[in-house]
Amino acid sequence: GAVVSQHPSRVICKSGTSVKIECRSLDFQATTMFWYRQFPKQSLMLMATSNEGSKATYEQGVEKDKFLINHASLTLSTLTVTSAHPEDSSFYICSARSGQGHEKLFFGSGTQLSVL
Amino acid sequence: SQQGEEDPQALSIQEGENATMNCSYKTSINNLQWYRQNSGRGLVHLILIRSNEREKHSGRLRVTLDTSKKSSSLLITASRAADTASYFCATYGNEKLTFGTGTRLTIIP
Repeated sequence: GAVVSQHPSRVICKSGTSVKIECRSLDFQATTMFWYRQFPKQSLMLMATSNEGSKATYEQGVEKDKFLINHASLTLSTLTVTSAHPEDSSFYICSARSGQGHEKLFFGSGTQLSVL
Repeated sequence: SQQGEEDPQALSIQEGENATMNCSYKTSINNLQWYRQNSGRGLVHLILIRSNEREKHSGRLRVTLDTSKKSSSLLITASRAADTASYFCATYGNEKLTFGTGTRLTIIP
């Protein structure tokens, strides 16, 4: 199956700093990528949908200035958590879809963010 | 927003037994998918069932879908220790996938 690489797998940062998470599709072109957030023992909450070359679409309640998403190429999307606070500590997972109408998603291995 | 509620939230069974998880959802869907997540990892796609299908099999997995009741079930037969994980249903609609609350399955060797 298709491979999605997410980096870093774990990051610890100080409050007020910004953190960038990368999501790459290694063997296919991802026209659409999705960013999810997951709290311990809970489900995945969709944060935003990013399409290559266009602005991301954010879900209700997700601050677009707080969570900057860039999908500059067909193989790379990045999520930047700006001015991170302890409440931003969470598990962030990206996923990718290879084309319009392709319903199955391929997931990265996730990034555990801890803000001190 | 979360689409599905899963039942039970947690399930522990002996190795070799069958495990059944249920999922209910709220809106109309194009398809419903099941994913597995090992602790602290990403998700792995297990099976997809379309809205016009009622049952689907893949290896030891059997999925049913009842669109009139807006519910689905996942059956894992002859469970193995390696099946220990969280299982999520996810509904596909409006070009995005929305996940249920998940079932934590523990297989006791």
